[in-house]
Amino acid sequence: EPEVTQTPSHQVTQMGQEVILRCVPISNHLYFYWYRQILGQKVEFLVSFYNNEISEKSEIFDDQFSVERPDGSNFTLKIRSTKLEDSAMYFCASSSRGQGITEAFFGQGTRLTVV
Amino acid sequence: SQQGEEDPQALSIQEGENATMNCSYKTSINNLQWYRQNSGRGLVHLILIRSNEREKHSGRLRVTLDTSKKSSSLLITASRAADTASYFCARLYSSASKIIFGSGTRLSIRP
Repeated sequence: EPEVTQTPSHQVTQMGQEVILRCVPISNHLYFYWYRQILGQKVEFLVSFYNNEISEKSEIFDDQFSVERPDGSNFTLKIRSTKLEDSAMYFCASSSRGQGITEAFFGQGTRLTVV
Repeated sequence: SQQGEEDPQALSIQEGENATMNCSYKTSINNLQWYRQNSGRGLVHLILIRSNEREKHSGRLRVTLDTSKKSSSLLITASRAADTASYFCARLYSSASKIIFGSGTRLSIRP
């Protein structure tokens, strides 16, 4: 069964460092998303991406965040200068059509720990 | 706020019993989806119900949607230990290219 894969599964970084979280969406999907979940809290929308550009982003997705689809398979989330409060699980998702019209498939997540 | 709430926040039942979780929302939706999350793991899509549907079944899962009350329920029948997880409802609002997750219900199945 096709799946969304995320690497690494766990990343520890020092405050102020840049991190890149990687995702390989399902191959024929066109819509890509990043969500995050701070421990014990809600799953929060960060950004949606379609046709090589951001479709929508939340207030959380400020200038320190960026997304990229550098080739035909990877979808990355970069956090430019990490803060302690960026510690969370980050989930990538993809769907074949706009999310909510069909189901979105989520990866297993990357646990980011900023120290 | 577009976000609603699930209730209860936590539910503990005996294996074999039925589990019912509820979700409420505040503004009109296109559809509503239920996801499961095992501790520390990713989100697994369970079922999608469109705004013009009232009930949907998938195996031991039954989802209802009442758009007049802006609420949905997820029923898991004949619960098993493996059903222990957090369950989230997620709403798509018109014009949105994202879904909004609720706070979730933590379900524990006692053997």
